Amino acid sequence: DTAVSQTPKYLVTQMGNDKSIKCEQNLGHDTMYWYKQDSKKFLKIMFSYNNKELIINETVPNRFSPKSPDKAHLNLHINSLELGDSAVYFCASSRVWASGVTDTQYFGPGTRLTVL
Amino acid sequence: GNSVTQMEGPVTLSEEAFLTINCTYTATGYPSLFWYVQYPGEGLQLLLKATKADDKGSNKGFEATYRKETTSFHLEKGSVQVSDSAVYFCALSDHDEGASKIIFGSGTRLSIRP
Repeated sequence: DTAVSQTPKYLVTQMGNDKSIKCEQNLGHDTMYWYKQDSKKFLKIMFSYNNKELIINETVPNRFSPKSPDKAHLNLHINSLELGDSAVYFCASSRVWASGVTDTQYFGPGTRLTVL
Repeated sequence: GNSVTQMEGPVTLSEEAFLTINCTYTATGYPSLFWYVQYPGEGLQLLLKATKADDKGSNKGFEATYRKETTSFHLEKGSVQVSDSAVYFCALSDHDEGASKIIFGSGTRLSIRP
């Protein structure tokens, strides 16, 4: 059983297009995340949702808009794609303890986005 | 703010060599510490973790001990294999951080020669 799944795995598109990446987790976690990983493997958090509510919104262009229809899903929509958006995007989920400490994060397999 | 610093890569070793990847952290509270591993073409997965000082996390022959006095969580393995070639990330989660997130280091690429 896949814990965190993402679709599509690869996405190749032209500059200026709008695209979406979907993420689903079946772990019963309340918190989900989107990360961007560049070519040097640096991992940058973009967004975090807890029970469908936006918790973290790092400095990300407003062309990126996350949407959480329920706590098992967190989708990422990107408008007007630019060359610099090319990267691997990872979805993740975790449990957060009452103390506020984040437990182990479970990552999806990633979506490699290439903007031409 | 909280941060994680890990040794720069790439690290290249011969099979059966001893491995150490250094990781130090800065945190205002009492963090949980993690090592994640990313194999080529895959997402990150938890390798081991420790939730309080002096705890030792271990998995697949890898170990790391939570050292509060030196604010370190170095990853070690006594005898590496070619299959250990991957990128390794040190990370922390701190309940004083406010928002619920894990802070990752910049990653260390490990390559093992047969």
